[in-house]
Amino acid sequence: NAGVTQTPKFQVLKTGQSMTLQCAQDMNHNSMYWYRQDPGMGLRLIYYSASEGTTDKGEVPNGYNVSRLNKREFSLRLESAAPSQTSVYFCASSEGIDRGLEEKLFFGSGTQLSVL
Amino acid sequence: AQTVTQSQPEMSVQEAETVTLSCTYDTSENNYYLFWYKQPPSRQMILVIRQEAYKQQNATENRFSVNFQKAAKSFSLKISDSQLGDTAMYFCAFMRHLWGYTDKLIFGTGTRLQVFP
Repeated sequence: NAGVTQTPKFQVLKTGQSMTLQCAQDMNHNSMYWYRQDPGMGLRLIYYSASEGTTDKGEVPNGYNVSRLNKREFSLRLESAAPSQTSVYFCASSEGIDRGLEEKLFFGSGTQLSVL
Repeated sequence: AQTVTQSQPEMSVQEAETVTLSCTYDTSENNYYLFWYKQPPSRQMILVIRQEAYKQQNATENRFSVNFQKAAKSFSLKISDSQLGDTAMYFCAFMRHLWGYTDKLIFGTGTRLQVFP
């Protein structure tokens, strides 16, 4: 039961470099999300995809782009990394169909990104 | 827009005792879900308990229970018989109930709970 898989787990970048964080889920979920976690700020939504073929901005989208490649995969790209993007990034997925209390959000294990 | 506020950055409790974590939220919606997630040092996000806004009965999961006060927009988490394994970051979260499909989760800033032996 893989669930939500994020790669890489750790990454160090220099200012101005670009990179893509990969996320894949094997639960046939419709919705996928990217959050960043910073001390004292909680988890803030960067982008989300309610269904394959759609993406929407969250609370803090500036400096990021996303691609919902297919139903399984949702990638997050930093075109020109900045020190302010040093954070822990979480991918998550959910079925996206209202099942009341049965609805769950499944999280990946996180990516620790440092931008020097 | 919805906001979630956790006013206690850190809490501590002795093993076997009871602790309550506070959460307030702001929304104009009438139908929504509220959640508590636990994040241990492993960084894994674990769902602890959830509540539907239209249910007056407070949710309970073993040693975890909530005090949901809809009018006051308050959703506190009570942990009874605290265990060392409860040491973690706890996040309160809000989700609008959009009939037919789910919405995004909005998180609070978290409360770091330390359980002492």
